[in-house]
Amino acid sequence: GNSVTQMEGPVTLSEEAFLTINCTYTATGYPSLFWYVQYPGEGLQLLLKATKADDKGSNKGFEATYRKETTSFHLEKGSVQVSDSAVYFCAQNSGGSNYKLTFGKGTLLTVNP
Amino acid sequence: DTAVSQTPKYLVTQMGNDKSIKCEQNLGHDTMYWYKQDSKKFLKIMFSYNNKELIINETVPNRFSPKSPDKAHLNLHINSLELGDSAVYFCASSQERAQTQYFGPGTRLLVL
Repeated sequence: GNSVTQMEGPVTLSEEAFLTINCTYTATGYPSLFWYVQYPGEGLQLLLKATKADDKGSNKGFEATYRKETTSFHLEKGSVQVSDSAVYFCAQNSGGSNYKLTFGKGTLLTVNP
Repeated sequence: DTAVSQTPKYLVTQMGNDKSIKCEQNLGHDTMYWYKQDSKKFLKIMFSYNNKELIINETVPNRFSPKSPDKAHLNLHINSLELGDSAVYFCASSQERAQTQYFGPGTRLLVL
């Protein structure tokens, strides 16, 4: 079945450090890939997405590239801020008649000043 | 204006009680979902409705019963609440065949 594996946290960084959160997926077809972010006490917000191979999703300084050859969608940011502290979820949607999102287990990021 | 809203935001109740959580979306979407987030933050889909028709029903105890009175609403009724039902329940919506799901703020359920 479809699955998403992302690096376990927690991840603790200093402000302005470089961030990478790894995410790989298994799917029978060609899924769309997403990163969602959950700030403390809030719901999930879509951070970025990519719908086909080699697409790059970007938002708020975050980027992720859909790599079909490595089945990966790693999240990166060049310089994190304290306000980026949150839980980040990688997810896939295989589309078709199955509309459900399959999530990774989430990675807690804490950015210290 | 809130796109996907849920009520209540917090729900504390005793074991054995029956409770409902409501969800409404004003995005004009025709597909809605319920997800459960456990204490370790793991998110798993429970149900999905498309045009008021149930299209996803994961392995969920039949104490949980979703109801979609119209395309803009998806409610979740839980009978005979158990301690293990304590979690955050998220509602989401999307446009059919589109890929992006929009989430509500969550309902934090605590069963004592």
